[in-house]
Amino acid sequence: QKEVEQNSGPLSVPEGAIASLNCTYSDRGSQSFFWYRQYSGKSPELIMFIYSNGDKEDGRFTAQLNKASQYVSLLIRDSQPSDSATYLCAVKAGNKLTFGGGTRVLVKP
Amino acid sequence: DAGVTQSPTHLIKTRGQQVTLRCSPKSGHDTVSWYQQALGQGPQFIFQYYEEEERQRGNFPDRFSGHQFPNYSSELNVNALLLGDSALYLCASSPGQGWGHTFGSGTRLTVV
Repeated sequence: QKEVEQNSGPLSVPEGAIASLNCTYSDRGSQSFFWYRQYSGKSPELIMFIYSNGDKEDGRFTAQLNKASQYVSLLIRDSQPSDSATYLCAVKAGNKLTFGGGTRVLVKP
Repeated sequence: DAGVTQSPTHLIKTRGQQVTLRCSPKSGHDTVSWYQQALGQGPQFIFQYYEEEERQRGNFPDRFSGHQFPNYSSELNVNALLLGDSALYLCASSPGQGWGHTFGSGTRLTVV
């Protein structure tokens, strides 16, 4: 079992719709959770982080964390073609980040 | 305010050679982490440096080594290059035990 798992996609979403991305992790000692966006050929860019159970909203993005279920998700509202990218879930335990394989999102006009 | 800077941007090496990659952290950050990202995969943690010492290491062989300088900049060295070392090498900095990593633009290493 991988430490951090994501559906590789692609997740195809019509413009203006909600994109829902999921991530599960195995280490119950994980302390904080991050979502990064990575455009093709570029480096990861931090979108959001969350460390308490529940929801955290930032603009069109909402992160949800359920530590009991070892599950973290990202919702992208009003999806735009510029949101087309790979979204990486990362889990922090100790000093390092452990990444999932990423979910590729395609927003179609 | 300069972010994380990495050099070189691209590099082509032959199997068996050695390579050194460089990273300057974001201003105010004292911790540097290195990641390897193969095509189509998420970044894999190599190691982290803090106060000029390796603080934590991932599952990478001893061919991968590093260094951090007093000005917090860092180098990643890879000896005896293999074809499988071809990847994007990412440097990330953070303010000590800070929440998130800020990534540099990466060095694309191709081993032929």
